Parts: sequence; structure tokens; C-alpha cells
Amino acid sequence: AQKITQTQPGMFVQEKEAVTLDCTYDTSDPSYGLFWYKQPSSGEMIFLIYQGSYDQQNATEGRYSLNFQKARKSANLVISASQLGDSAMYFCAMRETSFFFSGGYNKLIFGAGTRLAVHP
Amino acid sequence: DVKVTQSSRYLVKRTGEKVFLECVQDMDHENMFWYRQDPGLGLRLIYFSYDVKMKEKGDIPEGYSVSREKKERFSLILESASTNQTSMYLCASSTGTGSNEQFFGPGTRLTVL
Repeated sequence: AQKITQTQPGMFVQEKEAVTLDCTYDTSDPSYGLFWYKQPSSGEMIFLIYQGSYDQQNATEGRYSLNFQKARKSANLVISASQLGDSAMYFCAMRETSFFFSGGYNKLIFGAGTRLAVHP
Repeated sequence: DVKVTQSSRYLVKRTGEKVFLECVQDMDHENMFWYRQDPGLGLRLIYFSYDVKMKEKGDIPEGYSVSREKKERFSLILESASTNQTSMYLCASSTGTGSNEQFFGPGTRLTVL
């Protein structure tokens, strides 16, 4: 069965420093996608970054980058130059695809999350 | 701007009540999802729908049902609310193509007394 593991329940980082949030996954499908979402205290889920399993380069979006190591089945999120507003829960997720006779559908499997606190 | 809305941010119900949580998206997305979020467990999928009137069970469907009569609206129903259904409920939608990024609503924090 497909699975996402985030082993860090909580992380602390100093403002302006970089931080890495760990994510490992398990799947036997050759085609999959990996996502990172941010959830501030307000509760909304904010999409940050996406990496497809066939993408040759690591995804980047502004201060976010995804360190994709396919052989190790890891998809760590790197936040450069942390800001106080980065304090939030961060979830790693993997797309799971299912097929039926007339098509298919996708759903996401989420990890337990990592709570990041940025200190001034 | 893409938008997923949920009918309530906070809801308090009593044990045994029938509870309706409504979700509406304005992006013409095929897929819609209901999750519950509990501390230390992440988001767990309750039900999802990939087309009007179509539904599939997620990982924890027990005690819940859903309805999708129109493409833009996906309802989660607690037939007889119980205290262990106190949780944050998140609705999401996605297209059926591309990365299938899911767009989330603001969430409904449900308390069952």
C-alpha cells in the first residue's frame, strides 16, 4: 500500500536560516506525484510545490525547493531564508491513481505533518 | 481566483443529530474530496467523488455518507453524530488532468457534544 512518512513532529529554525522538512514515501507505481502543503494556524491548506516522478529536475517555487531522491524514495522540502510567516504545519502528500473500466481518478495520501516554528 | 467554500467554519452539534457539511467549488473541477484532520494523524480521506452522482469510499467512511447532485457541490453527511466525529473537516477539489493539485476550503471545525 502507498504510504507517506514524516518523521519530524516538530522543527525549530532561526529566522533567515534554511530548514529541511523530511518526507519519505512508499509506492510500487512508476508514475506518481508528490506535493507539499502549508497549513497556517488559520486552518487553510496552501499548495506549495509539486514534483512528478518523471521530472528530471527538482521542483522549485521561490524560497521552496523539493529535494527529490527517487532511489531513496524521499521528497524533502527545503525552505530557504525562513521568515516568521513560515511558522505553520507542513504536509507531504502523494498522488495515488486508480483505474476503472471507463477511466481513472486520483487521490492524495497525506503524511502526519511537521509543525515548523520560526524564531526571531 | 479559484475558490472552495464550506458552509460553516465552526459547528456545534449534539450526539445523535444529523449533520450536513456543504462544500462548493467554482472551478468546474471533476473531483471533490472530504477529509478529516486530527492531531498527529494528518488528513484522512473520508469519501471522494470523481463525477456527478459518483462516489467512492476513502480510508475512513464509517459513520459518513456523501451526496453529489451537482458538479460544483459535494455534501458530507453524518447520519447520527457521535463524539468521536469531533474533528476538523476539510473539503477539496481537483481537475482530472495535470498534477491533480487539490484546492482546499477553509475547513469546518465540528464539535459533537
